[in-house]
Amino acid sequence: DGGITQSPKYLFRKEGQNVTLSCEQNLNHDAMYWYRQDPGQGLRLIYYSQIVNDFQKGDIAEGYSVSREKKESFPLTVTSAQKNPTAFYLCASTAGGRVYGYTFGSGTRLTVV
Amino acid sequence: AQSVTQLGSHVSVSEGALVLLRCNYSSSVPPYLFWYVQYPNQGLQLLLKYTTGATLVKGINGFEAEFKKSETSFHLTKPSAHMSDAAEYFCAVSFMDTGRRALTFGSGTRLQVQP
Repeated sequence: DGGITQSPKYLFRKEGQNVTLSCEQNLNHDAMYWYRQDPGQGLRLIYYSQIVNDFQKGDIAEGYSVSREKKESFPLTVTSAQKNPTAFYLCASTAGGRVYGYTFGSGTRLTVV
Repeated sequence: AQSVTQLGSHVSVSEGALVLLRCNYSSSVPPYLFWYVQYPNQGLQLLLKYTTGATLVKGINGFEAEFKKSETSFHLTKPSAHMSDAAEYFCAVSFMDTGRRALTFGSGTRLQVQP
């Protein structure tokens, strides 16, 4: 079955550490996205990529980095520069074009300890 | 400025009652509109979408929404609530008059269904 796989489901990070969240899709989708979810704030866009080797900053890109070396993969690194990283992170993909809705992964919950 | 507003962070209804979740957007150009549902600790699932054509769109699980250009609204309704409808619902918008090729989400509405 096609879908998006996010791993790990739960992640604990010590302050000052970088961590990388994995997002893999086998839907042959061109576009991929990372959103951050905090209670009462909905989903906020971190980064997105329309094609391989290209990506754009979203609304809250500071303290995060991404790469898009393969169509199937769009990993997100939460760096030590992100001052409040504890959140639920969601990856999504779409075939491309504004008319399509997104397919979402099941999310990664990151907690700073 | 373009924005998406969901009125009411929490809505509570009785089982069998009408569900109405409100979404308004701010844009000079009619956007594409989406409703998603999220169950605890899961990703989001697409309920329905409006792009062009008929302004009343039907989705999964008996939900429907109507695009009203004059009111810049896209409210989600369901005639009779079930216990299984308890979840968080997000309105999302693809603004057509920008280069931004990503959805903008509202802050969400948590639906409680009382027995």
